[in-house]
Amino acid sequence: AQKVTQAQTEISVVEKEDVTLDCVYETRDTTYYLFWYKQPPSGELVFLIRRNSFDEQNEISGRYSWNFQKSTSSFNFTITASQVVDSAVYFCALSIYGGSQGNLIFGKGTKLSVKP
Amino acid sequence: DTGVSQNPRHKITKRGQNVTFRCDPISEHNRLYWYRQTLGQGPEFLTYFQNEAQLEKSRLLSDRFSAERPKGSFSTLEIQRTEQGDSAMYLCASSPPGENEQFFGPGTRLTVL
Repeated sequence: AQKVTQAQTEISVVEKEDVTLDCVYETRDTTYYLFWYKQPPSGELVFLIRRNSFDEQNEISGRYSWNFQKSTSSFNFTITASQVVDSAVYFCALSIYGGSQGNLIFGKGTKLSVKP
Repeated sequence: DTGVSQNPRHKITKRGQNVTFRCDPISEHNRLYWYRQTLGQGPEFLTYFQNEAQLEKSRLLSDRFSAERPKGSFSTLEIQRTEQGDSAMYLCASSPPGENEQFFGPGTRLTVL
């Protein structure tokens, strides 16, 4: 069975602090994809990044960076110099390659509050 | 440019009534997904269409739930004889051919009284 665990339920930081959101996943499949989505207070899920299981290269995009480590089944997300607009619930998700569905398996989310 | 749209955005109904939601995916996205999200939880997969074919249904989708995508474009999700436990946000997502990023709509929030 597949599972995604986001152990941090809520995190509160002050603006300009760096913050890392943890994600641990479980799957027996060797080919899979990992995602991060952001859900602001408006409610709409916004796609941030996708990673496939063969690509462990870490990625930086502006203030966002992702650290994928297969050895620990983790796909952590770091926001550098956080801003108030980063306040949202962040979801990590897993999708298994192949088959007909590709449906996403989400963690329970981490609520990030960035205070001015 | 239009993203995924869902209607209505909010629905309040009484227990036992039927409700229907609509999802319009991004143009030319052949795959369409329905998810349900309850408070404090991540979205949970309900069902999936590739074009007009419904290829996967979660065990969460009881026989009171039915989904269609008749022409491979928009989709509807109907809940018959609603129960208070059906209260949730119903999310629709679509994916383009050959890609697996899913783009979500704003959701329909259902409240069953």
